[in-house]
Amino acid sequence: KAGVTQTPRYLIKTRGQQVTLSCSPISGHRSVSWYQQTPGQGLQFLFEYFSETQRNKGNFPGRFSGRQFSNSRSEMNVSTLELGDSALYLCASSFRDRGDGYTFGSGTRLTVV
Amino acid sequence: GQQVMQIPQYQHVQEGEDFTTYCNSSTTLSNIQWYKQRPGGHPVFLIQLVKSGEVKKQKRLTFQFGEAKKNSSLHITATQTTDVGTYFCAGAGNQGGKLIFGQGTELSVKP
Repeated sequence: KAGVTQTPRYLIKTRGQQVTLSCSPISGHRSVSWYQQTPGQGLQFLFEYFSETQRNKGNFPGRFSGRQFSNSRSEMNVSTLELGDSALYLCASSFRDRGDGYTFGSGTRLTVV
Repeated sequence: GQQVMQIPQYQHVQEGEDFTTYCNSSTTLSNIQWYKQRPGGHPVFLIQLVKSGEVKKQKRLTFQFGEAKKNSSLHITATQTTDVGTYFCAGAGNQGGKLIFGQGTELSVKP
């Protein structure tokens, strides 16, 4: 079966710009979570969506936002990019209610210059 | 808020030696999950523990969940070079709560 697909794989943006990242979960998975991974901070939780509703939110500024569509695909948006936003952004999907564990995508590597 | 601490941050072992990583939560967890991330890869789900005192084994890997459901450990017996990577624990404070990851333990294995 197809895995979690994240696009694009790599992105270079300039400070002040905004960016939208996309995540297509495994078919049947209704929960999508987003994480930011950096060498110094590990995996930081951004938010989780379930059936188009944001169910949980991490401690990131309002510049970070997301949404989920009726087909469970999810997008996250970062506005007014800062150098510190450079990171690997990982999306993970799961059945959630069954506690099967998360399946991660390969991530989007964002570089802000 | 909920915090999950993991030690050690790095572990270098000789092939054939054992390895253990420890995970501690500031709050009681409903469950704990373990993931492995190979260099350049993404985290891959290994296992979930739910019950207090639970012990599960996967070949050379042994996972434990503490009696108080606030700590966990992963033990690898006789490490191999294929075990190289970063091992993460992740816990949720309640069913449906956000899954918080520990900082990870990076394992390197010298042949």
